[in-house]
Amino acid sequence: SQKIEQNSEALNIQEGKTATLTCNYTNYSPAYLQWYRQDPGRGPVFLLLIRENEKEKRKERLKVTFDTTLKQSLFHITASQPADSATYLCALPKYSSASKIIFGSGTRLSIRP
Amino acid sequence: KAGVTQTPRYLIKTRGQQVTLSCSPISGHRSVSWYQQTPGQGLQFLFEYFSETQRNKGNFPGRFSGRQFSNSRSEMNVSTLELGDSALYLCASSPGDGNVNIQYFGAGTRLSVL
Repeated sequence: SQKIEQNSEALNIQEGKTATLTCNYTNYSPAYLQWYRQDPGRGPVFLLLIRENEKEKRKERLKVTFDTTLKQSLFHITASQPADSATYLCALPKYSSASKIIFGSGTRLSIRP
Repeated sequence: KAGVTQTPRYLIKTRGQQVTLSCSPISGHRSVSWYQQTPGQGLQFLFEYFSETQRNKGNFPGRFSGRQFSNSRSEMNVSTLELGDSALYLCASSPGDGNVNIQYFGAGTRLSVL
């Protein structure tokens, strides 16, 4: 069955450094992959989408890569700030239905000043 | 455009009761999905409605049900509540008819079952 794995432990990064989060998946061939940010007690907020034929996508300080051979996506935040502290979720469409989205368990990121 | 609105924000119920949660999607969005989020299980897909029809379903017991109205608003019902149903229930809307599905989430309803 399909499985999505993210760094299970929290990631602590010094302000100003680059944070790198990992999303691995198995038994999938998704047409695209998404990243969301979730703050405590709130719903996730969409950040970026990358398609299977794209290697890299950027938005301001965010960068996402998508390696369909390794079945892995990396999510980078450059020049990290304490305000970037949140849980980050990757998400993929269920193989049999593009409208059904499956989320990873998320990685909690903490940026210390 | 107004975002996704969920009501109520908080609910406290006792075991055996039933509960109905409401979700108003972004104007123009025809798809509404429901998720359950708990610390142990993460974000779990419950079901998705599109144009008043259930289009996808997750692996939850029949106590969890939903419906969608002609204006795309959706309700989710949980009957015979169990302690394990305590969770943050999130709904998300999307246009529903493209080849990508970006989920726009509401703030959620925090359900506590005592």
